Amino acid sequence: GNSVTQMEGPVTLSEEAFLTINCTYTATGYPSLFWYVQYPGEGLQLLLKATKADDKGSNKGFEATYRKETTSFHLEKGSVQVSDSAVYFCALRNGANSKLTFGKGITLSVRP
Amino acid sequence: NAGVTQTPKFQVLKTGQSMTLQCAQDMNHNSMYWYRQDPGMGLRLIYYSASEGTTDKGEVPNGYNVSRLNKREFSLRLESAAPSQTSVYFCASRANGYTFGSGTRLTVV
Repeated sequence: GNSVTQMEGPVTLSEEAFLTINCTYTATGYPSLFWYVQYPGEGLQLLLKATKADDKGSNKGFEATYRKETTSFHLEKGSVQVSDSAVYFCALRNGANSKLTFGKGITLSVRP
Repeated sequence: NAGVTQTPKFQVLKTGQSMTLQCAQDMNHNSMYWYRQDPGMGLRLIYYSASEGTTDKGEVPNGYNVSRLNKREFSLRLESAAPSQTSVYFCASRANGYTFGSGTRLTVV
């Protein structure tokens, strides 16, 4: 079956630090990969996505590259801000009409 | 504002009580979903509806029922609430991408 594994959290960083959040997946075929963000008290929002190998998704300074050889989709940002404090979920969808499978999520806290 | 609307935002139930969580979307999406979010567990799919008139079980359906009342509305019912159902519940709808509601925080005491 499909599964998504995220690194254990929480993660606490100082403002302007470099961020990496690891995500690996297990799936047959060629899934689409996603990062969702959940700000405090809100629902999930799509942060970025990639639909095929070597694609790079990017948004709001965040980037993630679809690596089929390592089955990974790590999230990176060069300089985090306090406003990036949130819960981040990696997810995959295997087929246009299939359902999302989520990782467990990781809480990021950024200190001023 | 267009999107997915969930009600209520907060609810406290006693064990054994029943309630219905409401979800409505105004984007004309065919597919709708109910997830629960628990610490360290991510989001787990409870039920989904691929189109009006159809519903299917997800990963954790036990203790829940759903109704796809029309294309806009997809409700989740707890017939006899248990403490294990304490969670944050999210409704979502999908066309090309998923749109999530802001959640219902349910506590069962």
